[in-house]
Amino acid sequence: DGGITQSPKYLFRKEGQNVTLSCEQNLNHDAMYWYRQDPGQGLRLIYYSQIVNDFQKGDIAEGYSVSREKKESFPLTVTSAQKNPTAFYLCASSIDRSTYNEQFFGPGTRLTVL
Amino acid sequence: AQSVTQLDSHVSVSEGTPVLLRCNYSSSYSPSLFWYVQHPNKGLQLLLKYTSAATLVKGINGFEAEFKKSETSFHLTKPSAHMSDAAEYFCARVRGQNFVFGPGTRLSVLP
Repeated sequence: DGGITQSPKYLFRKEGQNVTLSCEQNLNHDAMYWYRQDPGQGLRLIYYSQIVNDFQKGDIAEGYSVSREKKESFPLTVTSAQKNPTAFYLCASSIDRSTYNEQFFGPGTRLTVL
Repeated sequence: AQSVTQLDSHVSVSEGTPVLLRCNYSSSYSPSLFWYVQHPNKGLQLLLKYTSAATLVKGINGFEAEFKKSETSFHLTKPSAHMSDAAEYFCARVRGQNFVFGPGTRLSVLP
């Protein structure tokens, strides 16, 4: 099956720890995205990548880091600098960043800071 | 600012009655617009999209939306709600080369 996978589904972190969320796609899409979802706020863009070894900050990049070493993988690290990391994180991809192409979403990772 | 507004945070309908979920956008031109649905603890699924072709767009699961430039609206409708339609719905638009999402509307369907 083609699609986007995210792991783990649930993640618990102690304060002061870095954690990495996995996102993999087998759709051969060039562009990949990370969003954060909080109740009543919709989705906010953290980072995006148009091509391997290139990525750009979104609207709320502080406290997060990414890498894009392979086309199919776009992991997100939530660092200890992120003050309020408890949220639902969604990864997405699109064929490219043309304005006509929809984004396909993974099932999400729910991160809770203990 | 190029944004998306969803006027209702929660809509409740009875099964078998029509659904109307409202979306307005702010822009001086006609952007690409999308509706997504999200079931609890799941990712988003595309329902339909408008990309400057026909103003009435048909999507999956019986949903459709009409682009009205004069009203800067892209409301989502369905003639008859089903219990499985209960979910969160997001309107989105393109801003530059990225997406901007509205805050979402939670649809409840009563038996």
